[in-house]
Amino acid sequence: GAVVSQHPSRVICKSGTSVKIECRSLDFQATTMFWYRQFPKQSLMLMATSNEGSKATYEQGVEKDKFLINHASLTLSTLTVTSAHPEDSSFYICSAVVGGYGYTFGSGTRLTVV
Amino acid sequence: AQSVTQLGSHVSVSEGALVLLRCNYSSSVPPYLFWYVQYPNQGLQLLLKYTTGATLVKGINGFEAEFKKSETSFHLTKPSAHMSDAAEYFCAVSEGGSQGNLIFGKGTKLSVKP
Repeated sequence: GAVVSQHPSRVICKSGTSVKIECRSLDFQATTMFWYRQFPKQSLMLMATSNEGSKATYEQGVEKDKFLINHASLTLSTLTVTSAHPEDSSFYICSAVVGGYGYTFGSGTRLTVV
Repeated sequence: AQSVTQLGSHVSVSEGALVLLRCNYSSSVPPYLFWYVQYPNQGLQLLLKYTTGATLVKGINGFEAEFKKSETSFHLTKPSAHMSDAAEYFCAVSEGGSQGNLIFGKGTKLSVKP
């Protein structure tokens, strides 16, 4: 089946640095990629929707200058957390649509900012 | 706008007992509904989905769910719980057609007692 590979699975970074998270579609072309954030013991909240070759659409309250999303090809979407702070520590998950209603998720990235 | 309510943030059952996880939705258009399972520090795995057709949907690992339009519900059931079923379960509704993002409920943590 369709697989989205997400890396890294875990990352610890110092406050003020930037972290890049990658999501690759391995055997299909992902025109659209969704990026979610999940705080401990909470649900997934949509941060932004990225479409190949165009600017991402951010949800209300999500800082586009802080969470940079790039979807330069049909198989790669990246999320860069810039100038990370401890409150950005969270679990980030990407998701792509495969065919109709066939959502496939990456395995997630646990970001810890110290 | 679509929304999802999962009743009970934590459900505990004995091994071999019936599992019932409740999900109600709100949607102004015909809903497309999903159940996902998440193990600690992992992404989401699709259990089952309802788009059109038969309202009783069978998924993986012995789970099934029934779409009841009159009750705006999509409860998840399994006749006999296994220890390996212990995880977090999320109900979701597609926000906008086959390419829209998913709106998630807050999740229900299932514990299985030996």
